Amino acid sequence: QTVVTQEPSLTVSPGGTVTLTCASSTGAVTSGSYPNWLQQKPGQAPRALIYSTSNKYSWTPARFSGSLLGGKAALTVSGVQPEDEADYYCLLYYGGGQVWVFGGGTKLTVL
Amino acid sequence: EVQLVESGGGLIQPGRSLRLSCAASGFTFYDYAMYWVRQAPGKGLEWVSGISWNSDSTGYADSVKGRFTISRDNSKNSLYLQMNSLRTEDTAFYYCAKAAGANWYGTGVYNWFDPWGPGTLVTVSS
Repeated sequence: QTVVTQEPSLTVSPGGTVTLTCASSTGAVTSGSYPNWLQQKPGQAPRALIYSTSNKYSWTPARFSGSLLGGKAALTVSGVQPEDEADYYCLLYYGGGQVWVFGGGTKLTVL
Repeated sequence: EVQLVESGGGLIQPGRSLRLSCAASGFTFYDYAMYWVRQAPGKGLEWVSGISWNSDSTGYADSVKGRFTISRDNSKNSLYLQMNSLRTEDTAFYYCAKAAGANWYGTGVYNWFDPWGPGTLVTVSS
């Protein structure tokens, strides 16, 4: 069974920079996994932030960026704002099994 | 404005069946693939299933394969999830989400899950 691993929790100070990562049990994450990042705030449905590794939506704040880093997908938030406190999920595609798999999520606390 | 609204959730006994619906509006439904994603209360997201624009291609998570069936009716702008042989571990909020294009599987540059509906809660319990 394929497992996608994220940091369970991270804490960052307002104005700081934080990087969330997303690792695959099958090996290095590549652009062919079409990494997506989604944000979910309490009581709300998820909202997409990044698609296909590093592409942003029109609503994605400029402080969010996606990349591949050391064999993992990464989401960097530069100049963190209090409203960025949320759960963040990465999502990878596995072509061999034709399935999408979410990571377990990272709870980002802004303190 | 693109809108997705799920319905059909509720309390159901283990072993029984339930069908969820997702009503779509604000976009040309038949042009896009669709997904179902679930989230157990207090837990993370789990991809459940995807279907292509014309229903020719579907995909399922191993946890639901053989028990759940995704379908769509483009004439009614509606997506469905037929859930059979329900288990207590199927208890979750079920969300539908719109794909970026016609296919549910990863391809090309544009692969995303957005927007999402508000979800419908399915509780499997005796």
